[in-house]
Amino acid sequence: DAKTTQPNSMESNEEEPVHLPCNHSTISGTDYIHWYRQLPSQGPEYVIHGLTSNVNNRMASLAIAEDRKSSTLILHRATLRDAAVYYCILGGRGSTLGRLYFGRGTQLTVWP
Amino acid sequence: SQTIHQWPATLVQPVGSPLSLECTVEGTSNPNLYWYRQAAGRGLQLLFYSVGIGQISSEVPQNLSASRPQDRQFILSSKKLLLSDSGFYLCAWSVPLRTGGYEQYFGPGTRLTVT
Repeated sequence: DAKTTQPNSMESNEEEPVHLPCNHSTISGTDYIHWYRQLPSQGPEYVIHGLTSNVNNRMASLAIAEDRKSSTLILHRATLRDAAVYYCILGGRGSTLGRLYFGRGTQLTVWP
Repeated sequence: SQTIHQWPATLVQPVGSPLSLECTVEGTSNPNLYWYRQAAGRGLQLLFYSVGIGQISSEVPQNLSASRPQDRQFILSSKKLLLSDSGFYLCAWSVPLRTGGYEQYFGPGTRLTVT
């Protein structure tokens, strides 16, 4: 499984932007970059995913480096409800059958 | 819309006792199904996945087994629980995305404590 590296923890103030980095230097050409987050005592929830181009949705933006060896999840205005563990996960096309291999993720703390 | 159910929400079982956790999905057909475990303070570990009825693949050797008797039903079992089986068990299903990749939907989880 392609590995990802994330900082153990990050902090932000409420209503400020947050940039969560992820390194994936061994990414293959068919690996998608997925981001999930897990709130305390809940299952993970999908945030965003991309392949090569930057992506935006109502929750966040995903900026992917040109060489695809790193990516950044951007929360444009952090709220207290964004405090969670954020996971960056690589997943390939159909042959992986949607399996996700979670690392330790980044614990995001949001201060009021 | 799709919904995923897991029960029970919490469970306390003695060492050596059997286990059966059930997961059902509504609103979709032929989903890929997954069981994950999260030990205290650890990340999620994929235990089993299934692409169809009766088709189970194990990701790690362990004291647990899984079965899929119906299209939208996924069961996690053990004949004899160990202390190390304690954790937060999550069921999930996935759907391929139009833009490629997969999106997984997780259930509410079962918190198992083996005493």
